Amino acid sequence: DAGVIQSPRHEVTEMGQEVTLRCKPISGHNSLFWYRQTMMRGLELLIYFNNNVPIDDSGMPEDRFSAKMPNASFSTLKIQPSEPRDSAVYFCASSFPMAGPRYNEQFFGPGTRLTVL
Amino acid sequence: GENVEQHPSTLSVQEGDSAVIKCTYSDSASNYFPWYKQELGKRPQLIIDIRSNVGEKKDQRIAVTLNKTAKHFSLHITETQPEDSAVYFCAARDGSGNTGKLIFGQGTTLQVKP
Repeated sequence: DAGVIQSPRHEVTEMGQEVTLRCKPISGHNSLFWYRQTMMRGLELLIYFNNNVPIDDSGMPEDRFSAKMPNASFSTLKIQPSEPRDSAVYFCASSFPMAGPRYNEQFFGPGTRLTVL
Repeated sequence: GENVEQHPSTLSVQEGDSAVIKCTYSDSASNYFPWYKQELGKRPQLIIDIRSNVGEKKDQRIAVTLNKTAKHFSLHITETQPEDSAVYFCAARDGSGNTGKLIFGQGTTLQVKP
């Protein structure tokens, strides 16, 4: 398996532009998590999905952020309009199904480094 | 909800010495505590984890201890090597429901000096 796949790996955009980050979880995983990492705030959970359904979006900073998971193999995180303070590394992670001995291990993707000018 | 505090924020040790990182959590219902290692510019990767029915777990030079009564857990690295230099994150699984949500500590930057 290729692991969790994220694209793009780097994104540089100007303030006010729309940004879409993409994630493909590991096949067979039914939980998907979006995190944001900055020096100041560390690793923050933004939103997560179980079986393609958003379960907890309390970490989404504001209405400019939205996430979707149209099917089990694809998710997007969108920022519209983007602001300089959104600059961060965004990680997607997925985990095994809830049953089984290793269901809690989260596998992280390589991340997307977003810079908003 | 769960809250995880991690200390110290930075740790510098000499190669061959031991390193200890400590975390406390607030939710007594939490039952799973993983540790992730993140090298510079890389993704966090799981290095060891412990469940609430176990007090200690060891994997070669790495060990984790859990004190459920005091609600704290620790990572111990023995015989440290330069390649152990990284940021280490502890986490606790949110105890509310069976969701798999993890709450992460703020991270510890470990530097191992040759």
